[in-house]
Amino acid sequence: RKEVEQDPGPFNVPEGATVAFNCTYSNSASQSFFWYRQDCRKEPKLLMSVYSSGNEDGRFTAQLNRASQYISLLIRDSKLSDSATYLCVVNGPGAGSYQLTFGKGTKLSVIP
Amino acid sequence: ETGVTQTPRHLVMGMTNKKSLKCEQHLGHNAMYWYKQSAKKPLELMFVYSLEERVENNSVPSRFSPECPNSSHLFLHLHTLQPEDSALYLCASSQDGSSYEQYFGPGTRLTVT
Repeated sequence: RKEVEQDPGPFNVPEGATVAFNCTYSNSASQSFFWYRQDCRKEPKLLMSVYSSGNEDGRFTAQLNRASQYISLLIRDSKLSDSATYLCVVNGPGAGSYQLTFGKGTKLSVIP
Repeated sequence: ETGVTQTPRHLVMGMTNKKSLKCEQHLGHNAMYWYKQSAKKPLELMFVYSLEERVENNSVPSRFSPECPNSSHLFLHLHTLQPEDSALYLCASSQDGSSYEQYFGPGTRLTVT
């Protein structure tokens, strides 16, 4: 089983649409979870951390289900500038590990 | 200069060459990382340094040799590389090992001919 698995994509959505990305992870010892965003030919940048209680940042909502080892990202009212690859990231192996494990990413294209 | 910088941005080298990638962070962080990003693959962690000590080495071939002379600088020395080593090499830093928000540099796109 892959360590971090994401929807393969690509997702092509019209402006204003709501889009959801899913991610599963295999390491049950992971304690920290993130969504990073990577624009074409650019470096990854942290979009948001994911907390157990769920968290929201503007149009972006992240959810975590530890029992199912599942993470989601919801983007409401999509903008053209949201077009990017979204990377699901978990820490591990082990809670104290420096290592972040990245998914392959899901590409989003928001079209006019 | 702000954030994390990397030089060169692009590098083409032959299999017999020796070259070095440089990373510098201006954020006052204590941990620095090297990642490899190949097409259609997830980012792969190569090395982690915390307070100038190597703390993780993910079974990287010896033709890649990291060096961390101080907490602001990180190098990746390359020698006798293979064409399959062609990739984007990303440097990142974080406040410390327990602060998982990592800030990435723009990367060096390496082509081995």
